[in-house]
Amino acid sequence: EIVMTQSPATLSVSPGERATLSCRASQSVSSDLAWYQQKPGQAPRLLIYGASTRATGIPARFSGSGSGTEFTLTISSLQSEDFAVYYCQQYNNWMYTFGQGTKLEIK
Amino acid sequence: QLQLQESGPGLVKPSETLSLTCSVSGGSISSSDYYWAWVRQPPGKGLEWIANFFYSGSTFYNPSLKSRVTISVDTSKNQFSLKLISVTAADTAVYYCARQGGSSWVNGWFDPWGQGTLVTVSS
Repeated sequence: EIVMTQSPATLSVSPGERATLSCRASQSVSSDLAWYQQKPGQAPRLLIYGASTRATGIPARFSGSGSGTEFTLTISSLQSEDFAVYYCQQYNNWMYTFGQGTKLEIK
Repeated sequence: QLQLQESGPGLVKPSETLSLTCSVSGGSISSSDYYWAWVRQPPGKGLEWIANFFYSGSTFYNPSLKSRVTISVDTSKNQFSLKLISVTAADTAVYYCARQGGSSWVNGWFDPWGQGTLVTVSS
């Protein structure tokens, strides 16, 4: 099983600032990584797949980077609607696994 | 626009069987274009992939659940179902169905998702 570790667990950022979230894989997953946003009471929403490809309708302020074992999700200028929990997920191995999540909160 | 909707009992007794159905509209589960999946999330916790399938019959199960899980498909109703036997409190979770990104398991991202349904295991 590939273990996905996200950091930090909680990130406090002010609106308008940049947020950088990290995800590390226990072994290389190439670029087979997705990012999701989840708000309370809602299903996760796909933001990024292929480590850096934005899903349909996702604003350009969301960007993903990395390959192998180290990945980053960057939100360039935080809007009020961006405060949520973010999960990374690997699909390099058929047994898909998720990180434990990073909660992005308002500072 | 593709929509997925989970349905099933919200309360299941320990040792019994959890059965959920995902109804799909705006697209066909028998399409050769996509895998379909189940994912769950215990209250306040993270996400866990359960299983997925392709219309041809190819199915993958999470090894931690494989002995208790079955996916079935009803193409006439455009639905697919999850059955989890011998449930315990640890199976209490919101259960989501979702479409994957393509026609191979390597297209393993999930989009879109159903709204989810909470299943509580309790006597």
